[in-house]
This record gives sequence, structure tokens and C-alpha cells, in this order.
Amino acid sequence: RKEVEQDPGPFNVPEGATVAFNCTYSNSASQSFFWYRQDCRKEPKLLMSVYSSGNEDGRFTAQLNRASQYISLLIRDSKLSDSATYLCVVNVGGGANNLFFGTGTRLTVIP
Amino acid sequence: GAVVSQHPSWVICKSGTSVKIECRSLDFQATTMFWYRQFPKQSLMLMATSNEGSKATYEQGVEKDKFLINHASLTLSTLTVTSAHPEDSSFYICSARTGGVQPQHFGDGTRLSIL
Repeated sequence: RKEVEQDPGPFNVPEGATVAFNCTYSNSASQSFFWYRQDCRKEPKLLMSVYSSGNEDGRFTAQLNRASQYISLLIRDSKLSDSATYLCVVNVGGGANNLFFGTGTRLTVIP
Repeated sequence: GAVVSQHPSWVICKSGTSVKIECRSLDFQATTMFWYRQFPKQSLMLMATSNEGSKATYEQGVEKDKFLINHASLTLSTLTVTSAHPEDSSFYICSARTGGVQPQHFGDGTRLSIL
């Protein structure tokens, strides 16, 4: 079983729509969680960290469910510029080599 | 803050050439940096973990003599692809973080094309 699993998509949504991505992780001892955004042929950029209490940044809301071992990202009022691949990243702790990436979920926002 | 610079951003060279890629943390010290490779439409693959002042830790299947890593200071790590061949063509990305559970910040990436 993979450490981190994501639905690869693609998700094609109209502008203004709300879209949600989920990501599951296998290691219950995982310590920190992040969502990154990667544009085509570019490096990943940190979108937001995910906290146990959930956190919101503008149109983006991230949630963590430790009991079920999943994290989610909700995007409201989608913009064309939100089109990208969204990577779920989990830090399992215990040393430097401890970061696991999902394969990414591709989102395309359609005019 | 937490800016990581990678250079060069694009390299095209002949088969057999060795290519050096630099990764710098511009506004923080990074005792650990990471090197990834990404093939088209695939996820990031960790190649090695670069530790300042000591040997890098390579992932299974990554040849340490092929991909030489040097982390001579707290702000600079280099990856040298020795005697590169067309199958080494890929997008190489470095990252660094300020602490154990902090997010990683990525460099701009280096697109390597071997002819």
C-alpha cells in the first residue's frame, strides 16, 4: 500500500464551482501535512499546511481527520488560475527522509 | 521568506557530458536538502537526501556514483549528473526546509535534456 494516495483526476469544473480533493495516508504516526500546487513544468509550491483544527486561507480550506487518516482540500469559487496539479504531502517524522508525496490531483477550471 | 534558488533552470548537452546543478537556500540555513526527479506526468521521486558536512543518503535504485551530491555549506547543495545519457533527461528539483516538521520549499527546478 502506498504511503499517500490521491485520486489523480482529472477534475474538470466550471469557473465559480466548489471542488474538493481527498488524500489518504497509511502511517498513523504521521506528524505534519501539506498541500502543494504544481503548475505544468514548474516546481511544487506550498499552498498551505494542514492543521488538526482545520485551516482556511481565502478560498481554500484544508481539513485533517486523524481517525480516518485523510486530509482534504476544498476550493471555493474556482478561478481559471486554480488549474494545476495539487499534491498531498505527508511527513511521517523520525528523521530527514520522511516526506511522502501523493501522485497529485489534476484540476482544470473551465471558463 | 524560505526562498530556494536552483541553477541552471535549463540544460541541453551532449551524451557523456557531466552536468552540475546548484541548490541554494537564500534566506535560511538548511542542514538538509533533498533532490528529486520528475518524469513527465509522473510524481516527484526522491533521489537523495543531502546532509551538510556528511555523505548524502541515496534512495534505493539511485546510483551514488552517477549522481554525486555535495553539501558543503548550510546554504548550498550541488548535484552532479556524471556522464549523462538520454535516459537521464528529466526535471530535477531540489528542496530545503528549516526544521524537521516544517514544509519543504522547492527550487525552480532544472530541466535537463541530453541529446
